[in-house]
Amino acid sequence: RKEVEQDPGPFNVPEGATVAFNCTYSNSASQSFFWYRQDCRKEPKLLMSVYSSGNEDGRFTAQLNRASQYISLLIRDSKLSDSATYLCGGTSYGKLTFGQGTILTVHP
Amino acid sequence: DTEVTQTPKHLVMGMTNKKSLKCEQHMGHRAMYWYKQKAKKPPELMFVYSYEKLSINESVPSRFSPECPNSSLLNLHLHALQPEDSALYLCASSGGPGDNEQFFGPGTRLTVL
Repeated sequence: RKEVEQDPGPFNVPEGATVAFNCTYSNSASQSFFWYRQDCRKEPKLLMSVYSSGNEDGRFTAQLNRASQYISLLIRDSKLSDSATYLCGGTSYGKLTFGQGTILTVHP
Repeated sequence: DTEVTQTPKHLVMGMTNKKSLKCEQHMGHRAMYWYKQKAKKPPELMFVYSYEKLSINESVPSRFSPECPNSSLLNLHLHALQPEDSALYLCASSGGPGDNEQFFGPGTRLTVL
């Protein structure tokens, strides 16, 4: 079983839609969790860290559920520019492990 | 400034060549990382340097040799690579060796002929 499981999608949504991504992790020792965004042929860029209390940054909301071992990312009012691959990741003793990535395409 | 720089952007090399990838950060970060990313796959950790010392080697073949000359620089020396080593090589840094946020450089796209 992969350490971090993520639905690869693809997700195709119209502008303005709300879309949610989920990841599950198997390593209960994982300490910190993150969402990254990766555009085609570019490096991953940190989108946000994920906390049990939930955190929000504009249209993006991330949540961590340690009891069920999953993390989520909610994007509201999708923009064309949100089209990218979204990677969830968890760290354990300094080692960051990514999920497979979810491809999001936002269309007009 | 959360910038990590990498050179070169692209590299084509033969299986008998020796080349080096370079990474630099000026954020005062004390942990630096090398990742390998194949097409349509997530980045996979190769090496971790913590306070300029190698702390994690993810069973990477010896044809890849990392080096950390100082706290701002990280090199990856390549020798006798195979075509299957062609990939995007990403460098990252974080404030410390724990579970901090990691910031990635733009990567070096390597092709081994």
